[in-house]
Amino acid sequence: NAGVTQTPKFRILKIGQSMTLQCTQDMNHNYMYWYRQDPGMGLKLIYYSVGAGITDKGEVPNGYNVSRSTTEDFPLRLELAAPSQTSVYFCASSYATGGLYEQYFGPGTRLTVT
Amino acid sequence: KQEVTQIPAALSVPEGENLVLNCSFTDSAIYNLQWFRQDPGKGLTSLLLIQSSQREQTSGRLNASLDKSSGRSTLYIAASQPGDSATYLCAVWTETSGSRLTFGEGTQLTVNP
Repeated sequence: NAGVTQTPKFRILKIGQSMTLQCTQDMNHNYMYWYRQDPGMGLKLIYYSVGAGITDKGEVPNGYNVSRSTTEDFPLRLELAAPSQTSVYFCASSYATGGLYEQYFGPGTRLTVT
Repeated sequence: KQEVTQIPAALSVPEGENLVLNCSFTDSAIYNLQWFRQDPGKGLTSLLLIQSSQREQTSGRLNASLDKSSGRSTLYIAASQPGDSATYLCAVWTETSGSRLTFGEGTQLTVNP
């Protein structure tokens, strides 16, 4: 299994541009998540999904959109990029069965908006 | 609302020392607790998962304990090595938080040769 994969690894955007961060997992996990991590800071939840067709906002959803059309994929869309969106973005997936819940992370996408 | 605190925020120790990282949480109604490691510029790697019914889990030189009633977990690292230098995060899945983990801010560990 490849686990959770993210593309691209790095990206530089100009202010006002848009882009989609890709995330795919091959573990058949129902739950998927997008976090951002600013330099020297903790993780903040942007959006999450408990299954195909279901998404919900996290702590910091403004400026982002998501969709979940399949179990495997959970892309994050940035519209009208702003310097405040400069961050490292992590995608994660989880299984939850019988009260056991474990989260797996992708390697991250480092985004700079200038 | 669940809150997770990790103390200390940073720790520097000489190689070979045994050390303890602390994690506390405010809501003891958890399903499980997960310890992660994050190397600079990298993603999070899961180290240990403790279910609410368990008291501890071990993997190599790492031992994690859980005291659910007091809202505490510790990560014990034996015979620390420079390669252990990283940020360690704990996260809990709380019964009332739906499908979301609550993360601590992490402890940045430096092991000096």
